[in-house]
Amino acid sequence: KNEVEQSPQNLTAQEGEFITINCSYSVGISALHWLQQHPGGGIVSLFMLSSGKKKHGRLIATINIQEKHSSLHITASHPRDSAVYICAVRTNYGGSQGNLIFGKGTKLSVKP
Amino acid sequence: EAGVVQSPRYKIIEKKQPVAFWCNPISGHNTLYWYRQNLGQGPELLIRYENEEAVDDSQLPKDRFSAERLKGVDSTLKIQPAELGDSAVYLCASSLRGKDTGELFFGEGSRLTVL
Repeated sequence: KNEVEQSPQNLTAQEGEFITINCSYSVGISALHWLQQHPGGGIVSLFMLSSGKKKHGRLIATINIQEKHSSLHITASHPRDSAVYICAVRTNYGGSQGNLIFGKGTKLSVKP
Repeated sequence: EAGVVQSPRYKIIEKKQPVAFWCNPISGHNTLYWYRQNLGQGPELLIRYENEEAVDDSQLPKDRFSAERLKGVDSTLKIQPAELGDSAVYLCASSLRGKDTGELFFGEGSRLTVL
């Protein structure tokens, strides 16, 4: 079982829809990152959070430390939101402290 | 301010040839990471530097991969000799702090194709 699991793997939405991407993890963490990767492009950091909720424009990220779960929400989705969204956790233990464990990503396609 | 700069963006080589990738992190960032990303997968750590010291290279295939970060600024990742399975995108990232609170900044990646 992967230490970081994302769902769904693929998501197709119509423009304007509310989108939720989920991330569950099984390790102790000090922070969780949501990242965005466009085809052929580099990775952009969207959020880094260790508790509660953060909002930036149409993007909202939440984390529940007790349940080891985080969600990324996109309101009023737009075709330019089409990308791969990656969840990554920063471990808080052992020799890998400070390293990130990445999920496999959720490929989002927003149709006009 | 310039972001993380990587070169080359694309490289096509034949197997058994050597290849090198270069990364210039954001100015002042003491932590530098090299990741490998295969198609449809998340990035996998190859090596992490704190300044010029490699603090985690446990996932680096040391028989053919090597990396250096002289003077604790830019870094090179080398593969010699390359194998077909090395085809991937090699990502460099940097952060200001190595542990709890460092936001990550990624380069555009170097896409390697081994024929």
